[in-house]
Order: sequence, then structure tokens, then C-alpha cells
Amino acid sequence: DTGVSQDPRHKITKRGQNVTFRCDPISEHNRLYWYRQTLGQGPEFLTYFQNEAQLEKSRLLSDRFSAERPKGSFSTLEIQRTEQGDSAMYLCASSPRLARDTQYFGPGTRLTVL
Amino acid sequence: AQKITQTQPGMFVQEKEAVTLDCTYDTSDQSYGLFWYKQPSSGEMIFLIYQGSYDEQNATEGRYSLNFQKARKSANLVISASQLGDSAMYFCAMSFYNQGGKLIFGQGTELSVKP
Repeated sequence: DTGVSQDPRHKITKRGQNVTFRCDPISEHNRLYWYRQTLGQGPEFLTYFQNEAQLEKSRLLSDRFSAERPKGSFSTLEIQRTEQGDSAMYLCASSPRLARDTQYFGPGTRLTVL
Repeated sequence: AQKITQTQPGMFVQEKEAVTLDCTYDTSDQSYGLFWYKQPSSGEMIFLIYQGSYDEQNATEGRYSLNFQKARKSANLVISASQLGDSAMYFCAMSFYNQGGKLIFGQGTELSVKP
């Protein structure tokens, strides 16, 4: 299967702990996007990369959030000092090359902060 | 302001019948794309169909078609011959080519297909 993969699928953590999520895009896709989806809402954009360059970060992405995409392949999203409001589904998507290209999503990581 | 509006929180349809899910959008940009995604209870967002702002023909993908009315800023999804497996959340989304392609999503419509 050559779709977008995310790890872990589920994460339960205590408030104040750090968590890191991984996303592996479809092979040779240059663009990688992170979204956050809370219950009953549509996904909201967090950040995106073109190759290894992080080109935009949403205002939703506070200083506790950081994302990387070393070597332009997989990406990680880290949340430091988690808060209960961080509980959500974190979705990763990739697209081939252009802004107009369709984004294909991974299965998501569901985060629960106790 | 750039915004997607889906006014139907929930819809019911009888198996084998057609259903239309509404989507309206607001933008002053000329270059954009409109997408529909399906999200089953498992959580994964599944791409269904795409319409570019300059495309003159309505997009079709199998049982899915997009009724694009640019002047009205609407992009309704039509599902023909509904199947039980179509029961899911459906999201309309818009991307802007001069903004890196990030997607802006609507609130979603929950479709339930009855046997």
C-alpha cells in the first residue's frame, strides 16, 4: 500500500506531557500538510511543507507546536506541554507538486489529553 | 473572507436513490479548487471529486458528480444510486492556488443511507 501513513493511530497522554506524531506521505509527493479536526468540526489547516521547507504556519499553531520535514520525506508534529484543548484528530495529507493538486489524507492520529 | 458553508447537518436517503449535498463558498479569488471528501466513522478523509474554478464542465467520478454554479458560488455534490456504504460524513473544501493549496473545510453533512 502506497498511501499516506500516520503513527501512532491513537495516543493517550497526561496534561503537560510532550507527544510526537509521524506522517509518511505518498512516495515522491513534494507537498505535505497537517490539519487538526475536533469533534463535530471540519479539519483546520495547521501547516504545510514543500519538500523540506515549511512555508506556512496557521495562527492555530501555538509556540507549543512544532513541525519538521527533514530531507523532504516523512514529517513529525510535536506538541509540548499538552493541554486538554489539544485533544483532537491530527490529519496529514500529501499532494504531488502543485498547489492545485489533490491532497490525499492519512488515517489520522487521535490524541486524547487527560 | 474565505468560507465554506454546508447548511445540512444531517441527511437521509433511501438506498438506490440519488441525493444532493449542498455547499456554498465565499471568496474573491479567481483561482481556486473545490473538493469533496468522505469521512467514514474510521476517520480517514477519502477524496471523491475535484472541480477547478476555470473548468467549464461539471466534474464527474463514477456515481459522484459536482454541480458547479460559479455565479451562485455553489458546488453541490450529487450521489446517484446511493449504497449503504455511502453512510458517512461528507466535507466540502476549497483550496487557493496562490496560498499553497491549503484546504478550507465546511462543517460537514452526515449522510445516512436507509435500506
